[in-house]
Formats: sequence, C-alpha cells, structure tokens
Amino acid sequence: KAGVTQTPRYLIKTRGQQVTLSCSPISGHRSVSWYQQTPGQGLQFLFEYFSETQRNKGNFPGRFSGRQFSNSRSEMNVSTLELGDSALYLCASSYGTPEKLFFGSGTQLSVL
Amino acid sequence: GENVEQHPSTLSVQEGDSAVIKCTYSDSASNYFPWYKQELGKGPQLIIDIRSNVGEKKDQRIAVTLNKTAKHFSLHITETQPEDSAVYFCAARLANQFYFGTGTSLTVIP
Repeated sequence: KAGVTQTPRYLIKTRGQQVTLSCSPISGHRSVSWYQQTPGQGLQFLFEYFSETQRNKGNFPGRFSGRQFSNSRSEMNVSTLELGDSALYLCASSYGTPEKLFFGSGTQLSVL
Repeated sequence: GENVEQHPSTLSVQEGDSAVIKCTYSDSASNYFPWYKQELGKGPQLIIDIRSNVGEKKDQRIAVTLNKTAKHFSLHITETQPEDSAVYFCAARLANQFYFGTGTSLTVIP
C-alpha cells in the first residue's frame, strides 16, 4: 500500500507570493490533516478535512486555507507569504476519526 | 485548547541503556496519547499509542505509561540501539484535534 505522498518536496518563494501544497492520502483514508513544523515549536495543527468538509481548524490566520477533493486528495494554500511561514508542512491521513496518523515526508517551504 | 509539555529536549544514552521521555498535558478530557518517531528528512512515524482507559502498553522494547490523575505519560525504550536515534514527539488528542510536544532528540551512543 502506498504511503502518504506530498508534493512538491521543496519550495522557495518570496514574500507576498502564494503557494499551493498537495497531499495524496493512503488509499481508503478519508481524513487528511495538515501541520506546520518549525524548529523548537513541534507540530502545530492547521486544519483537518473529512469527506471534503473542514472538520477542525487550528489557530492560524485566514491566509492559510485548504480543501479536500472527492478522491480524498487535499491541497493547502498560503496566500501573501511572510518570512515566518518558512517551515516544513506535513500532511497526515487516517481512516476515519483522527487516530493513528500516517504522515507524509512533508514539503519544505522557504520564504525569502 | 490543550497544552502538552515534553522533557527532556535532548537525551543521550549509551547503547543498551534505557531511555525515558516524559510528557504532561493540561486537559483531563484528552483521551488518546500517541508517540511518534521522526528521522531526518522523513515525516513522523507512529511507534506506540495508548488510550485513556489503559495504564500501560508494551510493544517489544517500547512501552508507554499513562497516569491520568497526574496528567502525564511517558515513553520507555529499553536496550537502546543506534537506530533508535531520532526525534520523538508525544501528542494528546482532544476533541479530535492533536496537540504535540516540542520533541526530544535522542542520541544512542554506540
């Protein structure tokens, strides 16, 4: 069974631009969560989607948004990028209720 | 929301010794506590988990204990091996949302 796939692996953007990250969950998994990981901060929850609906949202500004498609694939978008948005963005999928999370390798975003 | 604190932030042990990582949480309604291992360049991988109605769980060299009264849980790794070197994260689930600790960088010295 293929794992969680995130693309692209690396991204370099400049301040003010926007970016879209993609996540393909494990086949059969309907829940997709997104996390921001920065050194010393651990993993911060962004949002979780289940059956194309946002089920939970973390404490991030509205510049961070996401969506989920009917095949459970998910995208997250960050608009008007700031230097502080530089981080590893991780996607995790689970079968139903968020429990045993399976993480992708992440997208490393650098904002210059 | 929930607040999860993790200690220590770094830990070095000799190969064959035991390693213990501790976490505390703030909300007694948290009901599920997983531990993740993250190797360089990879995403976190679930290594063991425990539900709030269980006090201890073991899987070969790894064990997790939960003290609901004190609101703390711990990861125990016995007979450590160099391949155990990684960053370990604890987490607590509250209302279907996970809150993670800030991680422990474990180094096993051969």
